[in-house]
Amino acid sequence: DIVLTQSPGTLSLSPGERATLSCRTSQFVSVRFVAWYQQKPGQSPRLLIYGATNRATGIPDRFSGSGSGTDFTLTIDKVEPEDFAVYYCQQHGSSPWTFGQGTKVEFK
Amino acid sequence: QVQVVESGGHLAKPGGSLRLSCEMSGLTFSAYYMSWIRQAPGKGLEWLSYIRTSHSDTNYADSVKGRFTISRDDANNALYLQMNSLTVEDTAVYFCARGGFRIEVAGQFSMWGQGIAVTVSS
Repeated sequence: DIVLTQSPGTLSLSPGERATLSCRTSQFVSVRFVAWYQQKPGQSPRLLIYGATNRATGIPDRFSGSGSGTDFTLTIDKVEPEDFAVYYCQQHGSSPWTFGQGTKVEFK
Repeated sequence: QVQVVESGGHLAKPGGSLRLSCEMSGLTFSAYYMSWIRQAPGKGLEWLSYIRTSHSDTNYADSVKGRFTISRDDANNALYLQMNSLTVEDTAVYFCARGGFRIEVAGQFSMWGQGIAVTVSS
């Protein structure tokens, strides 16, 4: 199984600051198969980024994805109050499809 | 407007069974890969199973293989998960999720159900 390791576990930020979330995979994953999701308490996850760099429909352009190989990054430029949530990376190129353990972005 | 309604969860005893349902309206349901994903209390996301559009292909995570069965009824825009031989480790919120049209994007979940809570306890 491909293991996804996210860091940091928790990111404490003030609104307006930049968030940089890391996702490292245990094996090579094509950029085509990397996605990022946002989950707020009591809600279902929401697709933010697919294909490592493409924003899903309706996602603000302050969210961006980058990376290749085994290292991928989600960046939130100027965090807004509604961005405080847990973020998961995911690979769907190799079965079983797997998620990282999540990074919590919390209010500082 | 796409609507998703999940049902069928709640409480089961170890060794028992439950059947989860997920109905999606407002889209061409039959065109999409569909998956079940779960989240144990306070934990992350775990993909469990997918079913292909033509019913000819299913896939399971090892944790549920042989115990859970995914199926779909395209005429009624419905997805199911039959869960047998339940253990306490199956306690979680279960989400249905819509993937893409092709296997390359089948695991890209652009739409999720609201989640069904399943508790396995004696």
